[in-house]
Amino acid sequence: QSALTQPASVSGSPGQSITISCTGTSSDVGSYNFVSWYQQHPGKAPKLMIYEVTKRPSGISTRFSGSKSGNTASLTISGLQAEDEADYHCSSYAGSSTYVFGTGTKVIVL
Amino acid sequence: EVQLVESGGGLVQPGGSLRLSCVASGFTFSRYAMYWVRQAPGKGLEFLSAISNNGGITSYANSVKDRFTISRDNSKNTLYLQMGSLRSEDMAVYYCAGESFDYWGQGMLVTVSS
Repeated sequence: QSALTQPASVSGSPGQSITISCTGTSSDVGSYNFVSWYQQHPGKAPKLMIYEVTKRPSGISTRFSGSKSGNTASLTISGLQAEDEADYHCSSYAGSSTYVFGTGTKVIVL
Repeated sequence: EVQLVESGGGLVQPGGSLRLSCVASGFTFSRYAMYWVRQAPGKGLEFLSAISNNGGITSYANSVKDRFTISRDNSKNTLYLQMGSLRSEDMAVYYCAGESFDYWGQGMLVTVSS
């Protein structure tokens, strides 16, 4: 049950695209298509942005997209906006009704 | 409107116990699995526990297994987390979540200190 590995921070200018990686193992990310991504602004609860690797909940901008290859999942934010500056967390199903979250990534809009 | 309202957090001494509650509204509580997740200051999210819609299946992270117990009362639309043998490293903001982590409470701080 080790945390998934994410970069501590990723930065980009408004309008650019950035990608956040989330690296797990063959026991979690590599075994299940149940990777989710969350956005969290300071002092607020997490907000689901992507589920089941690529799906967006209702109301989430199409600027957010997810993918997975092997043991690594990725979140891409295109057309970066100031309001996207936040912490982003990934999670994966890890079997036996358990989940594992990532270490978290701070997105900085320059 | 979906709401998850947590209560029961606060200051507790090392070795002590605390019971967190999470009251749900705005969705059919009894249909969904529910979860507890925590976030230590300046850290990432940590999965703690899950419970199936009818309470028949529960799971725990190794870090809290044998110390924490998750339960639910579908007649009261309420999720619980009984926490025992609390340690300083359990200090965090605790969130309840549901519906595959689409719904989240506002979070409540648990402080473990003498």
